[in-house]
Amino acid sequence: GAVVSQHPSRVICKSGTSVKIECRSLDFQATTMFWYRQFPKQSLMLMATSNEGSKATYEQGVEKDKFLINHASLTLSTLTVTSAHPEDSSFYICSAVRQGLGAGELFFGEGSRLTVL
Amino acid sequence: AQTVTQSQPEMSVQEAETVTLSCTYDTSESDYYLFWYKQPPSRQMILVIRQEAYKQQNATENRFSVNFQKAAKSFSLKISDSQLGDAAMYFCAYRSYNAGNMLTFGGGTRLMVKP
Repeated sequence: GAVVSQHPSRVICKSGTSVKIECRSLDFQATTMFWYRQFPKQSLMLMATSNEGSKATYEQGVEKDKFLINHASLTLSTLTVTSAHPEDSSFYICSAVRQGLGAGELFFGEGSRLTVL
Repeated sequence: AQTVTQSQPEMSVQEAETVTLSCTYDTSESDYYLFWYKQPPSRQMILVIRQEAYKQQNATENRFSVNFQKAAKSFSLKISDSQLGDAAMYFCAYRSYNAGNMLTFGGGTRLMVKP
């Protein structure tokens, strides 16, 4: 099946630094990727839709200057958490859309756990 | 906007028994997709089963089946012959047919399987 890879799987950083998380579709091209955030024991909350070659679409309440999304190629989207603070600590998950017959199929990355000290 | 509700935060089942997880949703659309995803402790999201709203027949995948009641906007998941490896968080999700591939997730149900 299709594979979506996230890197790093775990990252610890100091408050005030920036962290970049990569999401790659390994065996298909993805014009659309999604970034989710998941707090402990909670559901996935959509942060933004990442579109190749254009600006990301952010959900209400998500700071676009805080969470920078770049989708520069058909196989890579990056999420950069700028000036990270402890409240940004969370599990971040990406998903990529593999287009095909019908509405396309979604594949999820393994997730990235961010801890901000 | 669509909403998805899972009213059971936790469920428990004895190994080899059957368990049903509930999911209701709210939408004004007539065409859409519904999904059940499993999230084990590894946190990897795994697709369990999907249902197209235009199909009346309930989807099945081996031990997993759904009871899709479109009029009632209900989409429950039945797991038969439960196995220890079924223990995980289960999320019900809605996807609009026309508004891209964005998923709206329910709050999740933690399933525990007792040996």
